[in-house]
Amino acid sequence: DSGVTQTPKHLITATGQRVTLRCSPRSGDLSVYWYQQSLDQGLQFLIQYYNGEERAKGNILERFSAQQFPDLHSELNLSSLELGDSALYFCASSPGESTEQETQYFGPGTRLLVL
Amino acid sequence: GQNIDQPTEMTATEGAIVQINCTYQTSGFNGLFWYQQHAGEAPTFLSYNVLDGLEEKGRFSSFLSRSKGYSYLLLKELQMKDSASYLCAVNRYGQNFVFGPGTRLSVLP
Repeated sequence: DSGVTQTPKHLITATGQRVTLRCSPRSGDLSVYWYQQSLDQGLQFLIQYYNGEERAKGNILERFSAQQFPDLHSELNLSSLELGDSALYFCASSPGESTEQETQYFGPGTRLLVL
Repeated sequence: GQNIDQPTEMTATEGAIVQINCTYQTSGFNGLFWYQQHAGEAPTFLSYNVLDGLEEKGRFSSFLSRSKGYSYLLLKELQMKDSASYLCAVNRYGQNFVFGPGTRLSVLP
């Protein structure tokens, strides 16, 4: 158990819908990262927040957005869902601002299926 | 560039030793991580290298050559539970992690 929690574990929805994925980082960690992992692709970095502020952006679509709240939990919002958005979405956390020389600890993931 | 290359699949026998290679472009390099990921589960941290040489942790060791843009993960005394994907991830100055495609290891009895 990494100490990172994610809800829900599974989510089934239809194309065009909007969903929200939630992540609570490890106690004391200030950075939260979101990743997407499709069946045929590796882990794709989406976005990082540090202490409530957006820190870095990766391959995140405009239909997707995220935020980190004062209590440090984070939410990833996915809208206008398409079949291709079906994937495992992981949240990870680390203590500081930068991934430089910092290990990231991953949550169990949310499996999203878009029908 | 961000390219990180790993073999797609490897097979080894229980009790044997296996070496999983990772090559990457060296610009801005600031550390390399290895993660293990069982199917459908979260990646878990295995090792970290930022200086050249070998880091040993029980049955797992990781090696880094910064000048060659090369790392390997060595797994000794393989067990069935070691069947998983092994992800190499590179950290670069001012950027976030970039994960390689992963190597799926199958350990056979």
